[in-house]
Amino acid sequence: GAGVSQSPRYKVTKRGQDVTLRCDPISSHATLYWYQQALGQGPEFLTYFNYEAQPDKSGLPSDRFSAERPEGSISTLTIQRTEQRDSAMYRCASSALGSEKLFFGSGTQLSVL
Amino acid sequence: ELKVEQNPLFLSMQEGKNYTIYCNYSTTSDRLYWYRQDPGKSLESLFVLLSNGAVKQEGRLMASLDTKARLSTLHITAAVHDLSATYFCAVGNYGGSQGNLIFGKGTKLSVKP
Repeated sequence: GAGVSQSPRYKVTKRGQDVTLRCDPISSHATLYWYQQALGQGPEFLTYFNYEAQPDKSGLPSDRFSAERPEGSISTLTIQRTEQRDSAMYRCASSALGSEKLFFGSGTQLSVL
Repeated sequence: ELKVEQNPLFLSMQEGKNYTIYCNYSTTSDRLYWYRQDPGKSLESLFVLLSNGAVKQEGRLMASLDTKARLSTLHITAAVHDLSATYFCAVGNYGGSQGNLIFGKGTKLSVKP
């Protein structure tokens, strides 16, 4: 696609529910990143993929968080048993393989009530 | 642990004036990025700086990197209202995985007529 697309744009859920966020990167981009951004803060790294490989998931806050990119294109970020502290903007970005320039999506604003 | 500090965090400028935003980081890094974020929007890549002494310019913005001082600057020349946004610097852990960037808290710039 023309840009990085994320869905849904907003997600409101109740504490304890599972949520899945979706990212559709720029079609030619091999590398995909997930970041979490709290209000008034810079993004914090969660994990990234090169194609379907996930070399680094050190930023995932707990084992409730997981990400997949099974076919090396679309990725999902799943949060199980959501907690209020999970409320944040979740941003996906992509880049061409070996490129340092990241293109960010508009994000999914998650609110856990 | 790599830490990134930006200052100032808030900057109110008059149109036509010059100013500099500073980004300090705590440990060796081999790459530094500047991003712009408009309210409610995603992050837009401005500059990628990969070597000591690197200087890049785009319009009224100029970024530089001093790896020995662990300092990057974003200089604004003759500010205009359209530059009002939040500016983030981000630093990659030296030898760390691609995409595992540490962001500063951001500098919220407001340019007034």
